[in-house]
Amino acid sequence: AQSVTQLDSQVPVFEEAPVELRCNYSSSVSVYLFWYVQYPNQGLQLLLKYLSGSTLVKGINGFEAEFNKSQTSFHLRKPSVHISDTAEYFCAVQGAGSYQLTFGKGTKLSVIP
Amino acid sequence: DSGVTQTPKHLITATGQRVTLRCSPRSGDLSVYWYQQSLDQGLQFLIHYYNGEERAKGNILERFSAQQFPDLHSELNLSSLELGDSALYFCASSVSGAANTIYFGEGSWLTVV
Repeated sequence: AQSVTQLDSQVPVFEEAPVELRCNYSSSVSVYLFWYVQYPNQGLQLLLKYLSGSTLVKGINGFEAEFNKSQTSFHLRKPSVHISDTAEYFCAVQGAGSYQLTFGKGTKLSVIP
Repeated sequence: DSGVTQTPKHLITATGQRVTLRCSPRSGDLSVYWYQQSLDQGLQFLIHYYNGEERAKGNILERFSAQQFPDLHSELNLSSLELGDSALYFCASSVSGAANTIYFGEGSWLTVV
């Protein structure tokens, strides 16, 4: 079984400042890792995913994440946030041999003008 | 637009009643997943179907059932509804399973009164 811990439930940040949203996972098998974003009253949209290869993954809207196997982490970063980035962000893991995603509790990013 | 269509978008019903949520996956996707999102439990995996067959069950109550039809659309049936079943129910789909991007619909808001 897999589990995901998102260490911060809420992260306020000023516009144009950098941000890091933290995600740690636990799994007894190899995993694939995902970040999804949920804007208010909308569904989940994939930001980026790590399947294999380079540990630095770039996604949409200027976001990137780095897979660190030794620390079992997959933190999401953006060098300069915009008001439109205000949303809830979910880290998810898919274990090898399984199909469903296991999600963290989510981190609400609030960008302050 | 993810290509996953869910109906209805909003539903209000009374305790003890039964409702059916419908999902049309993206064209070509054989896997359908159902998730429940609530404030206290977060995003919980309910069930996964692949090409009409049940593949995995998560935290799905016995009062809930699902099926995937030959045309690949899926329905989630919720019966003997309780106040605690009020949540956002997501349908998602993918081409097959492992390592494939899972696309989410915009969800069906269920309110039990």
